[in-house]
Amino acid sequence: GESVGLHLPTLSVQEGDNSIINCAYSNSASDYFIWYKQESGKGPQFIIDIRSNMDKRQGQRVTVLLNKTVKHLSLQIAATQPGDSAVYFCAEISNDMRFGAGTRLTVKP
Amino acid sequence: EPEVTQTPSHQVTQMGQEVILRCVPISNHLYFYWYRQILGQKVEFLVSFYNNEISEKSEIFDDQFSVERPDGSNFTLKIRSTKLEDSAMYFCASSEDSSYGYTFGSGTRLTVV
Repeated sequence: GESVGLHLPTLSVQEGDNSIINCAYSNSASDYFIWYKQESGKGPQFIIDIRSNMDKRQGQRVTVLLNKTVKHLSLQIAATQPGDSAVYFCAEISNDMRFGAGTRLTVKP
Repeated sequence: EPEVTQTPSHQVTQMGQEVILRCVPISNHLYFYWYRQILGQKVEFLVSFYNNEISEKSEIFDDQFSVERPDGSNFTLKIRSTKLEDSAMYFCASSEDSSYGYTFGSGTRLTVV
């Protein structure tokens, strides 16, 4: 499944499928980007980051892609699990860190 | 793993009262932040603090708000004359360097009645 970021705040996928969450950022001067996961009642939890001199970075089951030309960031989660259900925020850092609106990911068993 | 600790976890206050939200950042971190999240909305930046002074603040952070690092471990957010619309989760965060990821606390839920 794929979201279009701020315009589609929910994404529902089947367990085991790959998830793609998109985010558009606003500040072309931002040089550092982070994806956070927020579970209900908890603070944002760091998932993966990427600097503006890179266009891809991989972690464990997660990949972040950065397209500076169109100011777009995506988070790919491989083999999505029920424990991945949460709200995912992208954040951009220039002078401070600003969050996007978030996408709620629901994983169906 | 080091944590950012926030107290209390839930604060209920009457409109017009002052509240102080407390945070203990990670001990070797130098940059401190407060964010706010109104229920169901995105996390909003309030203020960043470095070297005992505010380094950045948002348009939300008006004269009603103030921050302080009263000692070597605590970082506080004071909200004067609270309004109903101040009801939100308030998150403290800290980082070792402004160009690295921030560690967030679990938040304080402020309810203004």
